[in-house]
This record gives sequence, structure tokens and C-alpha cells, in this order.
Amino acid sequence: KAGVTQTPRYLIKTRGQQVTLSCSPISGHRSVSWYQQTPGQGLQFLFEYFSETQRNKGNFPGRFSGRQFSNSRSEMNVSTLELGDSALYLCASSFSDEQYFGPGTRLTVT
Amino acid sequence: GQQLNQSPQSMFIQEGEDVSMNCTSSSIFNTWLWYKQEPGEGPVLLIALYKAGELTSNGRLTAQFGITRKDSFLNISASIPSDVGIYFCAGNNAGGTSYGKLTFGQGTILTVHP
Repeated sequence: KAGVTQTPRYLIKTRGQQVTLSCSPISGHRSVSWYQQTPGQGLQFLFEYFSETQRNKGNFPGRFSGRQFSNSRSEMNVSTLELGDSALYLCASSFSDEQYFGPGTRLTVT
Repeated sequence: GQQLNQSPQSMFIQEGEDVSMNCTSSSIFNTWLWYKQEPGEGPVLLIALYKAGELTSNGRLTAQFGITRKDSFLNISASIPSDVGIYFCAGNNAGGTSYGKLTFGQGTILTVHP
């Protein structure tokens, strides 16, 4: 089975811009979770989608949003980028309690 | 919010030595997971634990789910250079307000000297 894929792998944006990141889960997995990883805060949960519905959300501002499509692929969007949004954004897919991560998208905001 | 305390923060060991790291939580988890992350990659699942007291092995790796459900440890025996990376523990309480949410420890950076 193919693993979790994320595109793009690297992204450079300017403050105030918006960005969309994409995640394709492992075939058959309907749950997709998103995390932000930074050196200072570690791995922080953003939100989780299952069958196109957001079931859970972490403590991030409304500038962070996401969606899931009928084929379980998911996107997350960050609007009005800030320097502090520079991070590795990871998505994980799961069928049960085990989550399998993609390689991440490295976002740099300048 | 919920925090996992993972220790040690870093370890510098010689090839062939055994390694032990652990995680403790202020609240219980139904599942404990251990991941390894290498530079430029996402975390890779090493071991999943589902029952209090459970001891599970994966090659040279052994992990245990604490009987209080508030802690877990990971042991690596006979370390080799490719064990280098950051090891994370994660707790999961699937369902309810915890859907899809893993709570992570701060990570243990492992360096192995040949």
C-alpha cells in the first residue's frame, strides 16, 4: 500500500498571503489529522476530518482551516500568513487508533 | 492543555549500548504510541500499545504500557548508528472530544557514536 503523501514538500510564502496544503491518506483510511511541528512547541494538533466532517479541532486561530473530500483527500488552508506560521505541517491518516504520517510540508513565511 | 513529559531530552550513547526512555502523563490514555522521526521526514510508527501492562516488542525495540495508564517506556537494545533520530511518545483517547488527536511528548534526541 502506498503511504501518506503530502504536497508540496516545501513552500515559501510572504506575510499576509494564504497557502493551501494537500494530503492524500493511505487507501481505505477515512480519518485525516493535521499537526503543526515547530522547535518551540513540538507537535500540536490542528484538526481531524472523517467522512468529510471536521470532528475535532485544536487550539489554533480561525486562520487555520481545512476540508476533506469524498475520496478522503484533505486540504488545509492558512490565510493571512504570519512569520510564526513557519513550521512543518504534517498530516496523518488512520483506520483505528494508529496514525500514519506523511513526510510533511515545510512552510517558510518571510 | 494535556501534556506528556518525555525524558530524557537527549541521549549520547556508544554503538551497542541499550537505551531507555519514558513518558508520563497527568491523565490516562487508552493507547500509547511510539514514533521515530528522522530529519526532513514525518514520524514513523514503531510500536502501538493498547492495554495497561502490555509489553510489546518490534525487533530490538520493546515498549510497555504502564499499569496506571499514565506512563509508557521504550527500550532499544544493542543500538546501531541507524537508530539515530528523535523518538516521540504519543497518547490517544480515540472518540468523543479526542477524535483523531494525538498528544505528543517533547521528544528524545538519540545520538549513537560508532
